[in-house]
Amino acid sequence: DTAVSQTPKYLVTQMGNDKSIKCEQNLGHDTMYWYKQDSKKFLKIMFSYNNKELIINETVPNRFSPKSPDKAHLNLHINSLELGDSAVYFCASSQGGPAEAFFGQGTRLTVV
Amino acid sequence: ILNVEQSPQSLHVQEGDSTNFTCSFPSSNFYALHWYRWETAKSPEALFVMTLNGDEKKKGRISATLNTKEGYSYLYIKGSQPEDSATYLCAFTRQAGTALIFGKGTTLSVSS
Repeated sequence: DTAVSQTPKYLVTQMGNDKSIKCEQNLGHDTMYWYKQDSKKFLKIMFSYNNKELIINETVPNRFSPKSPDKAHLNLHINSLELGDSAVYFCASSQGGPAEAFFGQGTRLTVV
Repeated sequence: ILNVEQSPQSLHVQEGDSTNFTCSFPSSNFYALHWYRWETAKSPEALFVMTLNGDEKKKGRISATLNTKEGYSYLYIKGSQPEDSATYLCAFTRQAGTALIFGKGTTLSVSS
């Protein structure tokens, strides 16, 4: 079983559309994250959720919103997509303390 | 803003060479330092998590050290093999349950 799974793996959509990326973890972890990989492969934190509460909300556009229906899921909703939103988005999870993070396989979003 | 700096940005070595990379991070309010290995078309995978000044961790031919007082960590690879080719990421946290702040990575290429 995949520990952290994201769907879809690839997403091509037009500017102005609204889309969602789903993330699920079966590790029983308390905290989940969304990272954006920029063109230089740099991973930048977007959001993290701990026990269904948003604990970090970095300076991302409010068109991006995380939604956590339960502890095992953290979905990323993006409204009014722009060309600059094209990137690879990674979901991750970790247990409390200094534990390692486990990453999903990434979702490559292309806005045309 | 937390800055995690890694050097060198990229490195090319011959099979059998030993090598090391550097990660520097803010030394104040330190909680944990992570190293990840990121192969092309895959997700980052954790190598080490270190929390105490002077920590040393080892996994096979790869080892890491931590100096929290001066804010740096070294990753060492002994006898590099082509399968070691990957990007090695360093990440830092200031408290439990918060997101990892990543450096831009060191990309290692090992030729046979």
